[in-house]
Amino acid sequence: ETGVTQTPRHLVMGMTNKKSLKCEQHLGHNAMYWYKQSAKKPLELMFVYSLEERVENNSVPSRFSPECPNSSHLFLHLHTLQPEDSALYLCASSQARELGNQPQHFGDGTRLSIL
Amino acid sequence: AQSVTQLDSHVSVSEGTPVLLRCNYSSSYSPSLFWYVQHPNKGLQLLLKYTSAATLVKGINGFEAEFKKSETSFHLTKPSAHMSDAAEYFCVVSDLRNYGQNFVFGPGTRLSVLP
Repeated sequence: ETGVTQTPRHLVMGMTNKKSLKCEQHLGHNAMYWYKQSAKKPLELMFVYSLEERVENNSVPSRFSPECPNSSHLFLHLHTLQPEDSALYLCASSQARELGNQPQHFGDGTRLSIL
Repeated sequence: AQSVTQLDSHVSVSEGTPVLLRCNYSSSYSPSLFWYVQHPNKGLQLLLKYTSAATLVKGINGFEAEFKKSETSFHLTKPSAHMSDAAEYFCVVSDLRNYGQNFVFGPGTRLSVLP
């Protein structure tokens, strides 16, 4: 049990569907992250939220839309995805920078397959 | 800019023999360094971290790593491999930014353990 829960664990969707990925952390952290993990590629940081404000967007296509309603929850809304978006999507959380370089804690990911 | 190099994409050892996974980094700051492990269909689990305290860091499951500034290395070792150690291992360098942390992941090393 990592303290970071992602749902669903697996998702298959067509290119015209709209779905959302959910992440919830029970660690009292105040920064949350979305990563994309594709086969044979390094982890790609997609979005960062700190204190519920988005502070980094690494040029992610607009078909991915994040939402952070509070410090414990993070969503990734998906619409009109492409086959190359099939990947494992990982959520992570960490403590604030004022406490120094704290490790990020990861969920088990959502395996997304685009038909 | 920071970067991480994991020199071996795949390492294969026999059960009971030592493990060495190599990591070299570059950083403009005093870095924090982490090793994570990922088992199939799971998220990333923190093995150990270096944050400017002792240069020899002990982690979970018998792993340890030594920070060598002169060599810009942070290699991961274990005296005796176990079958359950077979997984993907990621070296991470981190610095603090305004929003929190910036994690830069290495490409990963896949460890196979032979009976």
